[in-house]
Amino acid sequence: QVQLKESGPGLVQPSQTLSLTCTVSGFSLTSNSVSWVRQPPGKGLEWMGAIWSGGSTDYNSALKSRLSISRDTSKSQVFLKMNSLQTEDTAIYFCTRLRLGNWGQGVMVTVSS
Amino acid sequence: DIVLTQAPLSVSVTPGESASISCRSSKSLLSSKGITSLYWYLQKPGKSPQLLIYRMSNLASGVPDRFSGSGSETDFTLKISKVETEDVGVYYCAQFLEYPYTFGAGTKLELK
Repeated sequence: QVQLKESGPGLVQPSQTLSLTCTVSGFSLTSNSVSWVRQPPGKGLEWMGAIWSGGSTDYNSALKSRLSISRDTSKSQVFLKMNSLQTEDTAIYFCTRLRLGNWGQGVMVTVSS
Repeated sequence: DIVLTQAPLSVSVTPGESASISCRSSKSLLSSKGITSLYWYLQKPGKSPQLLIYRMSNLASGVPDRFSGSGSETDFTLKISKVETEDVGVYYCAQFLEYPYTFGAGTKLELK
């Protein structure tokens, strides 16, 4: 059974770095891509970036300067790091196999002092 | 970036009736391989999005055949026949042809 589960801090201070982990099961990261998508409260969905089966990455240009996605295939984990957080980065962060329709439950991240 | 414009932004439907949602792309979503990379998701209240339609007109696994997708290279429609109470939520179209992948603003479906 395919599962994705996000984990990380619920509260981050402004200007700090966000670190999230997506732990997957039921499929291999070496043959599947995983994307990060976020959703501010009450708003729509924004694709942040992806890591592909071969390990390369692509990012939304709006976030590229602050964002890094990596993985540890031995642990079936995908990581998101985003620096210089601001209040507008408050959102639910999802990891997902977009085209195949598998999503994690999401993790709410609040940026506040 | 490819802009996806959904209409209407909200729709109120009597259970048992049909509903249609439009999604218009600022650019053709037809790839050189002949695949139209337009997807439809439903996000029920408090839940993660769930895939309904992939590649414009293909029903995702487990999705009732009340849902159907159609369209051309830039204009797409999601149709829900015989709306049920479980269909309430926000519907998003999405394109996975070019980076950055983008989503429509969403259409909120409510019941009368």
